[in-house]
Amino acid sequence: KAGVTQTPRYLIKTRGQQVTLSCSPISGHRSVSWYQQTPGQGLQFLFEYFSETQRNKGNFPGRFSGRQFSNSRSEMNVSTLELGDSALYLCASSVGGGEMYEQYFGPGTRLTVT
Amino acid sequence: TQLLEQSPQFLSIQEGENLTVYCNSSSVFSSLQWYRQEPGEGPVLLVTVVTGGEVKKLKRLTFQFGDARKDSSLHITAAQPGDTGLYLCAGAQGGYQLIWGAGTKLIIKP
Repeated sequence: KAGVTQTPRYLIKTRGQQVTLSCSPISGHRSVSWYQQTPGQGLQFLFEYFSETQRNKGNFPGRFSGRQFSNSRSEMNVSTLELGDSALYLCASSVGGGEMYEQYFGPGTRLTVT
Repeated sequence: TQLLEQSPQFLSIQEGENLTVYCNSSSVFSSLQWYRQEPGEGPVLLVTVVTGGEVKKLKRLTFQFGDARKDSSLHITAAQPGDTGLYLCAGAQGGYQLIWGAGTKLIIKP
């Protein structure tokens, strides 16, 4: 079974621009979560989608948004990029919940904002 | 705020040594997961422990869930350079979101 794929792998943007990242989950997984990872802050939860609906949301400003399509693929968008948005953005897909809510991660998109 | 505290934050040891990484909280979790992340890649799930006091072994790695389900440990026997990476613990509380520790960066020197 193919794993979680994320595109692009690397991205360089200028402050003030916007960016869209894409994630394709493992086949059959309907939950997709997004995380921001930086050396100083660790893994920070952005949001989670299930069946095209945002089910959970972290404490990020409204510049960060996402959506999920009927085939479970998900995109996240960051508008008006700031230097502090430079990070590794990880997508994870899941099946099940509760105590067995396990996550399977993609390789990430490395975003650099200059 | 629910926190999972990992210790140590950084560990550098020689090949062949043993080590233990800890994951502690004041909150109760329905399960505790351990992940390993290598540079430039996403975290990979190693194990999920569910029952208080549970011990799981994965080759040279031993995972234990505390009796009160508030803490967990990861013990590596005879560490090898291939064990190098960032080890993350994550706790589930019955919903659809995990609480993450900040990670332990482990370097095994040949």
